[in-house]
Amino acid sequence: NAGVTQTPKFQVLKTGQSMTLQCAQDMNHEYMSWYRQDPGMGLRLIHYSVGAGITDQGEVPNGYNVSRSTTEDFPLRLLSAAPSQTSVYFCASRTRGTNSPLHFGNGTRLTVT
Amino acid sequence: GQQVMQIPQYQHVQEGEDFTTYCNSSTTLSNIQWYKQRPGGHPVFLIQLVKSGEVKKQKRLTFQFGEAKKNSSLHITATQTTDVGTYFCPTSNDYKLSFGAGTTVTVRA
Repeated sequence: NAGVTQTPKFQVLKTGQSMTLQCAQDMNHEYMSWYRQDPGMGLRLIHYSVGAGITDQGEVPNGYNVSRSTTEDFPLRLLSAAPSQTSVYFCASRTRGTNSPLHFGNGTRLTVT
Repeated sequence: GQQVMQIPQYQHVQEGEDFTTYCNSSTTLSNIQWYKQRPGGHPVFLIQLVKSGEVKKQKRLTFQFGEAKKNSSLHITATQTTDVGTYFCPTSNDYKLSFGAGTTVTVRA
């Protein structure tokens, strides 16, 4: 099993550009989520989904959109990139049970100039 | 949602020494999970504690859940350079896990 796969690994954008960070998991996990990690601030939840067709906002959703058309995929869209969105982005998934562990992807390092 | 404070935020350890990091909650926790993130890596699940007073060991790592289920600790014996990284004990609110800054461990050789 590949687990949680994120693409790309690195990305540089100019202010105002849009892009989609891809996330796919092959573990049939119902729950998927996106975090961003900035130095000294831990991981902050952007958006999450408890199943196909269902999404909800986390702590820092502004400037990001998500959709969940399939169980496997949970893309994160940056609508108009800003320097404040420079960060490392992690996708994570787990089974429906709230006690189940989160499985993280390797991350996408995004720089917005 | 539950709020957990993790202390210390930074831990500088001499190689070979022991140290402990703590997670403290103002409310009773149903369970607690621990994760480790190596520098440049992604968080990796280490363990979950569910029962009051539970103690679990993974080689040199000892995890404990308090009797009142309001705190947890991670004790590392004979610290090695492989222990470098950030350790998290996220709080759970329904499906969501909230990660604070964690405890960042550096090791002096």
